Amino acid sequence: DAGVTQSPTHLIKTRGQHVTLRCSPISGHKSVSWYQQVLGQGPQFIFQYYEKEERGRGNFPDRFSARQFPNYSSELNVNALLLGDSALYLCASSSRDYRSYNEQFFGPGTRLTVL
Amino acid sequence: GQQLNQSPQSMFIQEGEDVSMNCTSSSIFNTWLWYKQEPGEGPVLLIALYKAGELTSNGRLTAQFGITRKDSFLNISASIPSDVGIYFCAGQLQGGSEKLVFGKGTKLTVNP
Repeated sequence: DAGVTQSPTHLIKTRGQHVTLRCSPISGHKSVSWYQQVLGQGPQFIFQYYEKEERGRGNFPDRFSARQFPNYSSELNVNALLLGDSALYLCASSSRDYRSYNEQFFGPGTRLTVL
Repeated sequence: GQQLNQSPQSMFIQEGEDVSMNCTSSSIFNTWLWYKQEPGEGPVLLIALYKAGELTSNGRLTAQFGITRKDSFLNISASIPSDVGIYFCAGQLQGGSEKLVFGKGTKLTVNP
């Protein structure tokens, strides 16, 4: 079975531009979460979506937005890019079933570099 | 914001040795998860813990959910070179959303 997939793998942008990152969850998983991981740190929570609704938001500015589609895939959008947005962006999916409620499975990430 | 204190930051060990790492917090967690991340990849789930006091094994890995619900540890027995990577603890807060709070990671190096 395919795991979580993310695209693109790498991305280079300049300050002020916007970017869209995409994620497809594991088949059958309805919950998608986004995390930002800067070098040398653990992932930081950005958003969680379940059944196309936002269920949680981390401490990130309004330049960050996301949405979930009827097929449960998701997009993360970042506007007005700053140098500090350079990071690995991770998508995680979970089934939210009773036995594995909080088990989140991560994709390989999108490496964003802002110049 | 909430933080997990993960230690040690790094470990250099010989193949065959046992390894222990832990995470502590001032907050109570409903769930503890342990992940391993290798360069250029996303974190891979190793073990999930759901009950205070729970002890769970996955091959040579053993993890425990602390009785106070504020800590967890991970042990790796008889380490091998492929254990190299960064190990992260993550927790889901009591009464919080489903977001995971991560530690800063323990970088493990295994010398053959």
